[in-house]
Amino acid sequence: LAKTTQPVSMDSYEGQEVNITCSHNNIATNDYITWYQQFPSQGPRFIIQGYKTKVTNEVASLFIPADRKSSTLSLPRVSLSDTAVYYCLFPSGGGADGLTFGKGTHLIIQP
Amino acid sequence: DAGVIQSPRHEVTEMGQEVTLRCKPISGHNSLFWYRQTMMRGLELLIYFNNNVPIDDSGMPEDRFSAKMPNASFSTLKIQPSEPRDSAVYFCASSFELYYEQYFGPGTRLTVT
Repeated sequence: LAKTTQPVSMDSYEGQEVNITCSHNNIATNDYITWYQQFPSQGPRFIIQGYKTKVTNEVASLFIPADRKSSTLSLPRVSLSDTAVYYCLFPSGGGADGLTFGKGTHLIIQP
Repeated sequence: DAGVIQSPRHEVTEMGQEVTLRCKPISGHNSLFWYRQTMMRGLELLIYFNNNVPIDDSGMPEDRFSAKMPNASFSTLKIQPSEPRDSAVYFCASSFELYYEQYFGPGTRLTVT
């Protein structure tokens, strides 16, 4: 079972850095970790994907420790438009469980 | 590419009627997924296809739900007969390969009265 654990919700303020951590204790050797963002009334949107250490793109950074049992999505200098639900997923060797989004983390950014 | 296309965007129907949702995946993508989202249950995977073949439909809630993918550029999700508890937003998504990043369509908001 590809089970992930994330905080249900988080609050922050504009201009702050936000870190959302996802635990995935049963990640398989070949699994990549993928993060999605979902705005109200839209489908989830791919943000970033990584296997180990650090990955950075124009939107976010992803930190994965050596044991790979967790990952942290880092959003630098957030704005009100970053208010959304954030999900982490990993394939877990295949099957429908690896495609299950879970509840995600509801991030609320305040002025 | 236009992205994943879903139709209709909104559907309002009466209980007992047949509902058909349509999806056109991104050209060249081999995998297609149908999800349902409600406030209570979140985002649920209903069924997914790989190379037009259904791989896992264990998420389909009842026999009233069926999905087909007759070719690489078209899929349907049918509910017959529809019930009020089927009211939700239904998303279609596609990916280049299974477990690659998914691209979601705009969704179909279904209301069954």
